[in-house]
Amino acid sequence: KAGVTQTPRYLIKTRGQQVTLSCSPISGHRSVSWYQQTPGQGLQFLFEYFSETQRNKGNFPGRFSGRQFSNSRSEMNVSTLELGDSALYLCASSLNSGGTEAFFGQGTRLTVV
Amino acid sequence: GEDVEQSLFLSVREGDSSVINCTYTDSSSTYLYWYKQEPGAGLQLLTYIFSNMDMKQDQRLTVLLNKKDKHLSLRIADTQTGDSAIYFCAESPILTGGGNKLTFGTGTQLKVEL
Repeated sequence: KAGVTQTPRYLIKTRGQQVTLSCSPISGHRSVSWYQQTPGQGLQFLFEYFSETQRNKGNFPGRFSGRQFSNSRSEMNVSTLELGDSALYLCASSLNSGGTEAFFGQGTRLTVV
Repeated sequence: GEDVEQSLFLSVREGDSSVINCTYTDSSSTYLYWYKQEPGAGLQLLTYIFSNMDMKQDQRLTVLLNKKDKHLSLRIADTQTGDSAIYFCAESPILTGGGNKLTFGTGTQLKVEL
């Protein structure tokens, strides 16, 4: 069974640009959550999608958005990139929404210059 | 709100047991997880426990939960150099409307010395 796949693995963008990251969950999993990991703030929850609907949202500005497709694949978008958006973005896949194991992908390392 | 705390570093000798500690604040029913992160990698789920359990054992890993003190520990028996990594404790409350939202601790850097 394939694990959680995140693409791309590495990305370099310039301030002001926008970026789209992709996550394919484990087959049969319907919940996808996104997290940002930085040395200063640690791991922080961005949002969760389940059955194409956003279930929960963390404390991030509106520049961070996401969506989920009917095949459960999810994308997150960051617009008007800032230097502080440089981070490892991790996607977690769960069978259902609530009270289940969350399996993480390898992450996308975003560097904003 | 939820808050999870961990000590930052732990150093042990190969073959000894490691005990990594975590405290959490959420008072509702919750799932508690342990993840391992190696350099440049994502998070590997090691084990998890529901807040109505006291203990869970899985091969070299033992999770102990003190519900009164909201204290969680991960014991790794016969620690090996391959266990060197950052270990994260995380909690996921049972939300009224459902949903998965993990709150992570700062992570404990485990260093295994020969």
